[in-house]
Amino acid sequence: DSGVTQTPKHLITATGQRVTLRCSPRSGDLSVYWYQQSLDQGLQFLIQYYNGEERAKGNILERFSAQQFPDLHSELNLSSLELGDSALYFCASSRTGGMPPGTQYFGPGTRLTVL
Amino acid sequence: GQQLNQSPQSMFIQEGEDVSMNCTSSSIFNTWLWYKQDPGEGPVLLIALYKAGELTSNGRLTAQFGITRKDSFLNISASIPSDVGIYFCAGIKQTGANNLFFGTGTRLTVIP
Repeated sequence: DSGVTQTPKHLITATGQRVTLRCSPRSGDLSVYWYQQSLDQGLQFLIQYYNGEERAKGNILERFSAQQFPDLHSELNLSSLELGDSALYFCASSRTGGMPPGTQYFGPGTRLTVL
Repeated sequence: GQQLNQSPQSMFIQEGEDVSMNCTSSSIFNTWLWYKQDPGEGPVLLIALYKAGELTSNGRLTAQFGITRKDSFLNISASIPSDVGIYFCAGIKQTGANNLFFGTGTRLTVIP
């Protein structure tokens, strides 16, 4: 158990819908990172937040957005969902905000299936 | 999208053998990372490399940052069954919005 929690574990929805994935970092960690892992695209870095502010941005689509709240939990919002958005979405946390992330702890992931 | 070519795609080796995998790119990266992912879990960072030519070890793992800054390799010596998993390289560019890229992964199977 890494100490990073993600909910829900599985999510099944339809094309065109919007979903929100939630991540709680390890206690004391200020950075949250979001990753997408799919068969087509492999593992991709989406976005990083550090202490509530966006710190780095990867291949995140405009239909996707994220935020980090004052209690440091983060949400990844995916809208106008397409079949190709089906993937495993990982959240990770680390104590500092640097890139590379150094010691980074991954959550168990949310498996999103878009039908 | 993906900018890192990782090879081989998969490997089947006998326990005790050494393993070598590499990652190449047409772009220059400032940092190279190597991760391992076990089934059903997120990746775990194994080694981070920060400058060209750097050779870093972590137990039985050794990784090098290529002189051209366009490649990196990972060696695993005396493999054991728990080395099974998928190994990913990742490169970081300090400039531009898309600054962390992953390789396609090498699936390692160790036969006892």
